Order: sequence, then structure tokens, then C-alpha cells
Amino acid sequence: QQQVKQSPQSLIVQKGGIPIINCAYENTAFDYFPWYQQFPGKGPALLIAIRPDVSEKKEGRFTISFNKSAKQFSLHIMDSQPGDSATYFCAPSGRGGSYIPTFGRGTSLIVHP
Amino acid sequence: DGGITQSPKYLFRKEGQNVTLSCEQNLNHDAMYWYRQDPGQGLRLIYYSQIVNDFQKGDIAEGYSVSREKKESFPLTVTSAQKNPTAFYLCASSQGLAGGETQYFGPGTRLLVL
Repeated sequence: QQQVKQSPQSLIVQKGGIPIINCAYENTAFDYFPWYQQFPGKGPALLIAIRPDVSEKKEGRFTISFNKSAKQFSLHIMDSQPGDSATYFCAPSGRGGSYIPTFGRGTSLIVHP
Repeated sequence: DGGITQSPKYLFRKEGQNVTLSCEQNLNHDAMYWYRQDPGQGLRLIYYSQIVNDFQKGDIAEGYSVSREKKESFPLTVTSAQKNPTAFYLCASSQGLAGGETQYFGPGTRLLVL
């Protein structure tokens, strides 16, 4: 059973575009919704995360929007730059039996100059 | 600087050989994890540990073994029983396993089969 579905698998945008990456989940026990960014040959690093008590969070050019009823959260990258080219993973987790993060399959983003 | 170190960066394994990947953290985190990453795949959990001398199997533990003799160290052994070991291996840690916590990753070890 795939608990987390991340889409799209890959994304190509021009510099300044606004790529959007989606993550749909099934486990209602999840209460922490992070996005990790991974550059080639490196380990992932936390980019931004949200808790379910808010519907949106902004950090610089990165925004998470959260829809509890739809069981979905999204990453928006405003004014995207070539340096944002990386793979992005959602990895929700929660309490009880779901404390280990469930990683999405990743989205490969390429931002052309 | 606090963080997670993994060594070596590249590792070559011969047929029938066991190899050990090192992972050390100085974040004073209780929980540590090992993941395997294949091209185009997400991260798959191999083993995790919440406290010293205790660890649990993840989704793909077959052919792997771990130990947790010290809080800061969580080495992974890829045994000869793992028939397809070529992958990028990532070690991570978090404050604990209460849920809803950030994971901090090391730089990874790429394992290749000769």
C-alpha cells in the first residue's frame, strides 16, 4: 500500500517560473509535513515543513500549502532559479505507529536559465 | 560544527565480500536511520535505532546488519547475502522517535560492485 503519492515525477521550468510539487497521503495520523531538497551526490536536507494547524507557510521563495480535508500538501517555488535544480521529497510523519517518515518517490526539478 | 559524517564516500565490494559503512553524528540525537536510494527511487528504510543496543528492521533489511554500541555511531554492514548492493546509502538522525521530527542526513556513501 503506497501511503504517499508525490507528483510530478519530473518538472522542467524556465527561470522565474513557479514549479508546484504535490504530495498526497492516506494516513490521517500524520501531523508533520516536510519537504526535503537533495542535490546530486548529496544527502537530502530539510527545506520547509508545516504542521496541520496552519494552511500555508512561507520561507523566502518557498511556500507550503496544506489541505487537510484533501489530505494533500504542495510545495511552490516562487521566482525559481537554476540553483533550485534538485530532487524534492515529501516525507510526512506522525505519532504512534507512523513516527518513521514515509518518503515520496521524489520530483526531479530542472530550472533552465 | 554539528552534523553527520559518513565514510567512505565511495566503496567497492567484491563478490562474496562483506563491507561496512560508517555513520557518526555529534548532534546528540537518540534516533538514527539507514536508507538506500536507487536512481529514480525514493528513500527506502533499511534499519533504524532509537537507543543504544537496540535497533529495528525497516522495509528492506534482508542482506544488511547494523549495530548501535554508542549513541553517536550506527555502522551498516552490507553482507554477501545482499545480491544487488549497488546504491547510494544515506545515514540520518533525529532527536527521537516521538514523531513529527526533522531528519538530518549525512553526505552518503556510494557502493559499487566490482
